[in-house]
Amino acid sequence: KQEVTQIPAALSVPEGENLVLNCSFTDSAIYNLQWFRQDPGKGLTSLLLIQSSQREQTSGRLNASLDKSSGRSTLYIAASQPGDSATYLCAVDKETSGSRLTFGEGTQLTVNP
Amino acid sequence: ETGVTQSPTHLIKTRGQQVTLRCSSQSGHNTVSWYQQALGQGPQFIFQYYREEENGRGNFPPRFSGLQFPNYSSELNVNALELDDSALYLCASSRGLSYEQYFGPGTRLTVT
Repeated sequence: KQEVTQIPAALSVPEGENLVLNCSFTDSAIYNLQWFRQDPGKGLTSLLLIQSSQREQTSGRLNASLDKSSGRSTLYIAASQPGDSATYLCAVDKETSGSRLTFGEGTQLTVNP
Repeated sequence: ETGVTQSPTHLIKTRGQQVTLRCSSQSGHNTVSWYQQALGQGPQFIFQYYREEENGRGNFPPRFSGLQFPNYSSELNVNALELDDSALYLCASSRGLSYEQYFGPGTRLTVT
């Protein structure tokens, strides 16, 4: 059974700091990995999707890496802003399952002005 | 292009009642997945519909059921509601199996 773990559970940083969120998964047979953002009480916004054959994806100040063999992914946020405050979730899609995401419990990020 | 929409936004039900939640998929998408997210937890996969057929189910009892219509919109039905069913219910659509999923805003269900 696939298990996804995110560390840390919560993180508080001053504005402008660069930060790294970690995600690990137990079964390396994944099809892709997605990072999502969730604001309180809201739905999920997809940030980055990395296919299993890729090593990283970048969008603006965000960079996500994937090491499939070791079961790890990181989300790097550069020059953090108060508007980045949210919960960040990673999810893996297992090969042959067809879009059934297994999520971690998320990292709650607070960026202080 | 219209994104994924869900209705209602919020719902309060009494234990033992039945509820129906609705989801309209994004244009061009034929796959809909439903997830349950309890407070402080990550979403849990309930089931998925692909071209009107169920394509897999998570660890949820049979009182959770669903439908997908010819226009690929979907319903989630929950019978005999329990207090633990209180959660945010998320719908996601994609243009096929194993494609990127796009999530709706969710329906907040409270069971009292």
